[in-house]
Amino acid sequence: AQKITQTQPGMFVQEKEAVTLDCTYDTSDPSYGLFWYKQPSSGEMIFLIYQGSYDQQNATEGRYSLNFQKARKSANLVISASQLGDSAMYFCAMREAPSYGQNFVFGPGTRLSVLP
Amino acid sequence: DAGITQSPRYKITETGRQVTLMCHQTWSHSYMFWYRQDLGHGLRLIYYSAAADITDKGEVPDGYVVSRSKTENFPLTLESATRSQTSVYFCASTRLAAYNEQFFGPGTRLTVL
Repeated sequence: AQKITQTQPGMFVQEKEAVTLDCTYDTSDPSYGLFWYKQPSSGEMIFLIYQGSYDQQNATEGRYSLNFQKARKSANLVISASQLGDSAMYFCAMREAPSYGQNFVFGPGTRLSVLP
Repeated sequence: DAGITQSPRYKITETGRQVTLMCHQTWSHSYMFWYRQDLGHGLRLIYYSAAADITDKGEVPDGYVVSRSKTENFPLTLESATRSQTSVYFCASTRLAAYNEQFFGPGTRLTVL
């Protein structure tokens, strides 16, 4: 079974608007971490933001915020004021305790295109 | 400079040949990983290592061999390359705690003819 689901293969957003990229996850472990990575066309994987399962507040990092709804097992990434440079693939990932090595799984990704 | 590096960045080989992809990190991270990235599959874990001399299989280990004699190095070997192993390979490393993100190398694009 898929542990990380990203239901939007592709998304379009107008420059300067906000966009939400969906991520749902599946785990029975109470301790886990959720991550978002960006992969531009150049290919590197860039870490964006982290949310812990015990964190009370939603994580924020500059224009990125994570809408964490624990009961629904969703961890959506919100990008505010989109820029052309935000066009990239975005991956949601989860790391579960206690087997931190193997249990670091990625979703299939969402390709975001920012339109001028 | 500190970081995680991979070599070569690009490799073309022929079916049946042995190929080794190198990965080196300077942070002394305990965990290291090898992923392959293919269209429609995202990132799939091949092998990971929790420490020197400790390795374990991931989701797609068949046809690959790893070793980790030193903490900083984690080479991936394709013993007899097949066309289905044409992919982009990423090495990553991380510390132990759940909140530690993975740091990725730049990737190696491997083509098997």
